[in-house]
Amino acid sequence: AQSVTQLDSQVPVFEEAPVELRCNYSSSVSVYLFWYVQYPNQGLQLLLKYLSGSTLVKGINGFEAEFNKSQTSFHLRKPSVHISDTAEYFCAVRPGGYQKVTFGIGTKLQVIP
Amino acid sequence: NAGVTQTPKFQVLKTGQSMTLQCAQDMNHNSMYWYRQDPGMGLRLIYYSASEGTTDKGEVPNGYNVSRLNKREFSLRLESAAPSQTSVYFCASSGQGAGNSPLHFGNGTRLTVT
Repeated sequence: AQSVTQLDSQVPVFEEAPVELRCNYSSSVSVYLFWYVQYPNQGLQLLLKYLSGSTLVKGINGFEAEFNKSQTSFHLRKPSVHISDTAEYFCAVRPGGYQKVTFGIGTKLQVIP
Repeated sequence: NAGVTQTPKFQVLKTGQSMTLQCAQDMNHNSMYWYRQDPGMGLRLIYYSASEGTTDKGEVPNGYNVSRLNKREFSLRLESAAPSQTSVYFCASSGQGAGNSPLHFGNGTRLTVT
């Protein structure tokens, strides 16, 4: 069975500062990795995904994530955050060949003006 | 292009009442999912359907039943609601492939059980 750990439940950061949201996973098979964003009172939308190939993945809204197989991590980064980035971010893992998707508990990013 | 549509958006039930949450997708996706979201617990999988005609339990299936009515529709039923089922419920779908398709989510149903 796979699992996902998001180490920070809340991350406050000043506007225009860089941010990193951490995600570690465990799985006995190769995986596909995803980051989703949830704005207040909305569903989740895909931010970016790692399927294969380059370990640095770029997503929407200037976010990027790096897959590190040896550390089983998939941390999300943005070099300069904006007020509109205030939201909750979820890391998710999906084992190759399987349909079941497991989510982390989420990290609330609060951007401070 | 509606994507994933959930109904209702809000619902209040009394303990012991039953209800069905409806979900439909118009993207011709094979797989569909029901998750619940609770503060501090992220999203937990209740049931999923890898393809039409199949359903499987997720992490927290107790107290729920599902029906994959056809390729488009996947409903979640609470037979006898309990306060512990107060939550936000999300339906999602994903397309073909060996797991590399992302999930597409509906906007959720906020359920309160008193």
